[in-house]
Amino acid sequence: DAGVTQSPTHLIKTRGQHVTLRCSPISGHKSVSWYQQVLGQGPQFIFQYYEKEERGRGNFPDRFSARQFPNYSSELNVNALLLGDSALYLCASSLFPGSDEQYFGPGTRLTVT
Amino acid sequence: SQQGEEDPQALSIQEGENATMNCSYKTSINNLQWYRQNSGRGLVHLILIRSNEREKHSGRLRVTLDTSKKSSSLLITASRAADTASYFCATGEDTGRRALTFGSGTRLQVQP
Repeated sequence: DAGVTQSPTHLIKTRGQHVTLRCSPISGHKSVSWYQQVLGQGPQFIFQYYEKEERGRGNFPDRFSARQFPNYSSELNVNALLLGDSALYLCASSLFPGSDEQYFGPGTRLTVT
Repeated sequence: SQQGEEDPQALSIQEGENATMNCSYKTSINNLQWYRQNSGRGLVHLILIRSNEREKHSGRLRVTLDTSKKSSSLLITASRAADTASYFCATGEDTGRRALTFGSGTRLQVQP
């Protein structure tokens, strides 16, 4: 079985632009979570989605949004990019929002110049 | 914000030695998990310990949890060069959401 997949692998954007990151969960997993990992720090929770509905949101500005599709894949959108948005964006899938174990994808490395 | 801190921030040992990493957290938890990350890539789940457990083993890994002190430790025995990575503890909320709150990580370097 394929694990969690994310695209693209790397991305370079300039300040003010917007970006869309994509995630496909493990087959059968219905919950997707997004995390931001700034260099040298641990990941920070951004969003959790289940059955196309937002189930949780971390402390991130409204420039960050996400959605989940009927096939349980998900997109993370970031508008008006700032230099500080440069990070590794990780997607994690789990069977349900309350599942203990989350399985992480390889991440998308976003660089904002 | 980070839930807690890992200690030490960096650790360098020789192959064959044991590596011990500590994690402290601040709030009540449902479980605590340890993850491994190689060179800024995706996270690999290592082990999960529930709040009502005190110790757990998996291969060369041993995890302890002390909820009274809000701390956990990860012991890697007989380390190998391939164990070189960053290790993160993450706490699971005691809610239906189960968003993980990560510490800042320990960078382990195992010298061959």
